[in-house]
Amino acid sequence: TQLLEQSPQFLSIQEGENLTVYCNSSSVFSSLQWYRQEPGEGPVLLVTVVTGGEVKKLKRLTFQFGDARKDSSLHITAAQPGDTGLYLCAVANAGGTSYGKLTFGQGTILTVHP
Amino acid sequence: DTEVTQTPKHLVMGMTNKKSLKCEQHMGHRAMYWYKQKAKKPPELMFVYSYEKLSINESVPSRFSPECPNSSLLNLHLHALQPEDSALYLCASSQDGGRGLGTEAFFGQGTRLTVV
Repeated sequence: TQLLEQSPQFLSIQEGENLTVYCNSSSVFSSLQWYRQEPGEGPVLLVTVVTGGEVKKLKRLTFQFGDARKDSSLHITAAQPGDTGLYLCAVANAGGTSYGKLTFGQGTILTVHP
Repeated sequence: DTEVTQTPKHLVMGMTNKKSLKCEQHMGHRAMYWYKQKAKKPPELMFVYSYEKLSINESVPSRFSPECPNSSLLNLHLHALQPEDSALYLCASSQDGGRGLGTEAFFGQGTRLTVV
């Protein structure tokens, strides 16, 4: 059983469409991070959400942390080809594990076609 | 400088070779990490160094040997690897290895390793 269930695993859409990626768990987290990884690169941190119910916006990307701090979503408005990549949610020190450890969801591979 | 620099970017090695991957950061971060990533999968943690001491080894085979010469450098020594070890090896750093916001990770570009 995955600590973080991320869905969908694959998403192929046309430029201009909207999409939402989900990251769910039965555990409560003090914070949750979202990363984007482009082909041939390492993951890049997009945002950290900390407060239950929190909404953060980064241009066309909107991130939400669930009220119970068990889940999060990433919504992209008017997707562009440059949004193509692997999107990962992650939590630190999850489940009482040793400090310094990031646990990732399975990832969502997004392809935006021109 | 908010970069984590990894060298080399690509490496092809035979199963009897010895090679090393290098990682450097100058952000004053005190925690550094090695992750292994297979295609279309999330990164998997291998090692964590905190304040230059090995704090986590995720049961990694001994053919992978990490080293932290100082707070800015992290090496991964490779010896007698198997073809299934071929993957993208990512180095990362964070402000500290504790809890909360200090765990946000900065990743390098990775080393694409192919074992033949």
